[in-house]
Amino acid sequence: KAGVTQTPRYLIKTRGQQVTLSCSPISGHRSVSWYQQTPGQGLQFLFEYFSETQRNKGNFPGRFSGRQFSNSRSEMNVSTLELGDSALYLCASSLGKANTEAFFGQGTRLTVV
Amino acid sequence: TQLLEQSPQFLSIQEGENLTVYCNSSSVFSSLQWYRQEPGEGPVLLVTVVTGGEVKKLKRLTFQFGDARKDSSLHITAAQPGDTGLYLCAGVSGYSTLTFGKGTMLLVSP
Repeated sequence: KAGVTQTPRYLIKTRGQQVTLSCSPISGHRSVSWYQQTPGQGLQFLFEYFSETQRNKGNFPGRFSGRQFSNSRSEMNVSTLELGDSALYLCASSLGKANTEAFFGQGTRLTVV
Repeated sequence: TQLLEQSPQFLSIQEGENLTVYCNSSSVFSSLQWYRQEPGEGPVLLVTVVTGGEVKKLKRLTFQFGDARKDSSLHITAAQPGDTGLYLCAGVSGYSTLTFGKGTMLLVSP
């Protein structure tokens, strides 16, 4: 069965631009969560979508947003990019029930210059 | 704010040595998970512990969950170069929200 697919794998953007990242979850999974990974802060939770609704949100500014489509695919958008947004962005898919396993994609490496 | 502290941050050992990684939480989560992440990849789940005092074994890896469900440890026996990677503990809250520790980078040299 296919795993979690994130596109693109690598991205270079300029400060002030916006970016959209995509995540296709495992078939049948209705929950998609997004995480930011940086060397200084580690993995930090951005938000979770379940059945097209945001179910939980981390402590990130409003420049970070997301959405989920009816086929469970999810996108996250970062507007007005800052140098500090450079990170590995990971998405994880799961069935969305309590204590079920989350499967991570390989991530999108975003570099802001 | 729920926090997870992992120690040590870095560990460099020789093949065949034993090691223990610790994870301490400021609060109780519904469960705690351990992941391993290799360069260029996303984290992969190793184990989930739910019950205080629980011990789980996965080949040469032993996971313990403290009685108060606020601390956990990962012990690796006779480490091998293939064990090299970033080990992450994560507390589970809500349905599937993960709060991660900053990780322990393990390097096992032949």
